Amino acid sequence: AAGVIQSPRHLIKEKRETATLKCYPIPRHDTVYWYQQGPGQDPQFLISFYEKMQSDKGSIPDRFSAQQFSDYHSELNMSSLELGDSALYFCASSRGGQGSKNIQYFGAGTRLSVL
Amino acid sequence: AQKVTQAQTEISVVEKEDVTLDCVYETRDTTYYLFWYKQPPSGELVFLIRRNSFDEQNEISGRYSWNFQKSTSSFNFTITASQVVDSAVYFCALSPYYGQNFVFGPGTRLSVLP
Repeated sequence: AAGVIQSPRHLIKEKRETATLKCYPIPRHDTVYWYQQGPGQDPQFLISFYEKMQSDKGSIPDRFSAQQFSDYHSELNMSSLELGDSALYFCASSRGGQGSKNIQYFGAGTRLSVL
Repeated sequence: AQKVTQAQTEISVVEKEDVTLDCVYETRDTTYYLFWYKQPPSGELVFLIRRNSFDEQNEISGRYSWNFQKSTSSFNFTITASQVVDSAVYFCALSPYYGQNFVFGPGTRLSVLP
């Protein structure tokens, strides 16, 4: 079965650069979530989209922005990168925006290293 | 506020032993969902189980079983006859019934030694 696809899998950037992470949800899933997992930490919710509209917002820095496109894929844009942004970024998708009864399926993550 | 506590940071067992991973949660919601996810060394997060707050029935799936006790706000996970492939970090997570974002616990690193 098709899973959540994230690209790239690995990304190396320097401080103050920008980065764009992409997420392709499972077919027919209309909700996308972004999480950040620092080294040795649990995933922290950043932001979510349902039917191309932002539906919930967590601890996403102002330097980051995200959107969901008409084909339901999502992109996380990160600007003015800092060393502390180095982390594993997960995208998850689910079907149906309301209610967490819809299970979130996670992608393999994008590992961002900021040098 | 919602919070998930996994008191065991790391556990090591020998293959074929049973092991229980503890999860205690806090929420003011009367309806909510609880989840367990597995994160193997390869890094992806693998869904294991979802439990809603109405249903305190325990569940068994192969070598895995879950014990949900609302009275003690616990949702513990037991692996029977552990195998080396069970070595991973296991996360317990909580979500409000009508919300979307998960709150994860800090995770428990399980090492199963041959």
